Amino acid sequence: EAEVAQSPRYKITEKSQAVAFWCDPISGHATLYWYRQILGQGPELLVQFQDESVVDDSQLPKDRFSAERLKGVDSTLKIQPAELGDSAMYLCASSLEVGTFWFFGPGTRLTVL
Amino acid sequence: AQSVAQPEDQVNVAEGNPLTVKCTYSVSGNPYLFWYVQYPNRGLQFLLKYITGDNLVKGSYGFEAEFNKSQTSFHLKKPSALVSDSALYFCAVRDRNSNSGYALNFGKGTSLLVTP
Repeated sequence: EAEVAQSPRYKITEKSQAVAFWCDPISGHATLYWYRQILGQGPELLVQFQDESVVDDSQLPKDRFSAERLKGVDSTLKIQPAELGDSAMYLCASSLEVGTFWFFGPGTRLTVL
Repeated sequence: AQSVAQPEDQVNVAEGNPLTVKCTYSVSGNPYLFWYVQYPNRGLQFLLKYITGDNLVKGSYGFEAEFNKSQTSFHLKKPSALVSDSALYFCAVRDRNSNSGYALNFGKGTSLLVTP
């Protein structure tokens, strides 16, 4: 069964360092999402891509976060510099048909010390 | 924006008993509603969704949900709980974002604990 792949699964870093997360959606899925899930809360959308274009990044803290999906396939989410409050689970999801079904990856657990 | 609320932080139930995890929604128009489950340090797994049609939706692992328009609710249910059902459950609603795409808006989650 096809799955959304994410790496690394766990990341520990010190504040002010740079971190990057990678996501490979299910083959053929044009829509890709990055969500952030703070402990004890529901996931919140950070950025949404349609192919290589950003559809929505209104909740992305653009002073330190960036996301790209250069060839419209896999995607990278970067944080520079990381802050203590960035500790969270970062989830990637993809969708074949817009707005019908979301497949989630296993997530990357980030801890900022 | 479309939103959902999960009024309970935690639900405790004995194995074999029926379980209910509550969700209410606030939407304009017809809602697209979802339930996901999350096990520790894992991603979200889809359980079921309601788009239109029968108000009782059947999903994975024996779960079902009842869409109630008059009460704006979409409660998750299972007739007989298993210890392995212990996990974090999220209700979500589809929302149109600023650039005509769609995203999921999640509730804060409900922790389900099933005791032997």
